[in-house]
Amino acid sequence: LAKTTQPISMDSYEGQEVNITCSHNNIATNDYITWYQQFPSQGPRFIIQGYKTKVTNEVASLFIPADRKSSTLSLPRVSLSDTAVYYCLVGDDTGGFKTIFGAGTRLFVKA
Amino acid sequence: DVKVTQSSRYLVKRTGEKVFLECVQDMDHENMFWYRQDPGLGLRLIYFSYDVKMKEKGDIPEGYSVSREKKERFSLILESASTNQTSMYLCASSFVAGGRTGELFFGEGSRLTVL
Repeated sequence: LAKTTQPISMDSYEGQEVNITCSHNNIATNDYITWYQQFPSQGPRFIIQGYKTKVTNEVASLFIPADRKSSTLSLPRVSLSDTAVYYCLVGDDTGGFKTIFGAGTRLFVKA
Repeated sequence: DVKVTQSSRYLVKRTGEKVFLECVQDMDHENMFWYRQDPGLGLRLIYFSYDVKMKEKGDIPEGYSVSREKKERFSLILESASTNQTSMYLCASSFVAGGRTGELFFGEGSRLTVL
């Protein structure tokens, strides 16, 4: 399983764009990159998944360079309600028993 | 939308009591999971099930058992609760398609305190 490294915490202000980078140097050919979001006192929630280049949905964008050794989750114009822990996961089984959640990045959005 | 419902948000039990945590999902998912989450330790997998009556140990199964008699329901059982089982317990489910699993859908969690 590919190990991921992401910052422990980040601070931002409302209205700013936030970019959280995840390193996964030993990502395998079959691996996908998946991000989850967890609000306090709730379970994690899937937000986006990608394999290469760029993926965008209504919540976030995911940028993956050609070598796939890192990825960046981009949250446009964050609000206070985006304060949460964001987890980067890498694997070919991102919804199965091999899915491993690390410590994640704690994002704190200030007014 | 997929809904994963955990029976209790907050429980307080005494050491030695038998504890049942129930989880129900409404989207016919094959896979179901029980995790516990503790500060600084992230989410750790206790047990998972990929079919009715099937169960597999995760990373920390000691002190726990599970039951899956129906596809939609996955129960976590603490045979004799101990204080080190005080934690947030999270149930999740996922589907299987084309040989791959879809993303995990989590319940809101059950915070158990063992006194």
